[in-house]
Amino acid sequence: NAGVMQNPRHLVRRRGQEARLRCSPMKGHSHVYWYRQLPEEGLKFMVYLQKENIIDESGMPKERFSAEFPKEGPSILRIQQVVRGDSAAYFCASSPPNFRQGPYNEQFFGPGTRLTVL
Amino acid sequence: AQTVTQSQPEMSVQEAETVTLSCTYDTSESDYYLFWYKQPPSRQMILVIRQEAYKQQNATENRFSVNFQKAAKSFSLKISDSQLGDAAMYFCAYRSAEGAQKLVFGQGTRLTINP
Repeated sequence: NAGVMQNPRHLVRRRGQEARLRCSPMKGHSHVYWYRQLPEEGLKFMVYLQKENIIDESGMPKERFSAEFPKEGPSILRIQQVVRGDSAAYFCASSPPNFRQGPYNEQFFGPGTRLTVL
Repeated sequence: AQTVTQSQPEMSVQEAETVTLSCTYDTSESDYYLFWYKQPPSRQMILVIRQEAYKQQNATENRFSVNFQKAAKSFSLKISDSQLGDAAMYFCAYRSAEGAQKLVFGQGTRLTINP
């Protein structure tokens, strides 16, 4: 059973370009979470999605950032008009549907995408 | 809002010795979960150990154990018989038992193992 997959692993963009980060959850998982890790900091929650629904976007910047998790295909985190401050590692995590969750509802993390904005 | 604080940016320990990493948190909730994650240089987040707040017994996973003090809102990680492969960033994290599913992370502690 493959783990959470993220691509690309490394992404370089120039200021003003768009960045698209993809996350394929573990098989059977329908919940996806995105976190951002700035250099030398802990992970910060951005958004929590279920298939075709945004459940909690309290950590998303108000502008330029959006996320989706369509019925088919991976979850996408999109950053428009990137700036140098967007340089960070972006992690995706997934967990199973509510009816299959154990007491911990463990989130399984992908390897992350390191975004560098020149 | 919940917060998690790790007051030790860096720690070091001799191989085979024991080290304790500190974590405190702030919450008004009575039911929640606490986690320790390891992040080696590969950056992959690896779950080390977890604790349910309503359980008084401290969790243990092989060489890793926690000291959970609910009244003090403290959740420290003890690593016994430290090994070179334990070198990594360690993050303490909080999650509500109800409602919000997000993990709230501390700033991390970089652990160095001296041979």
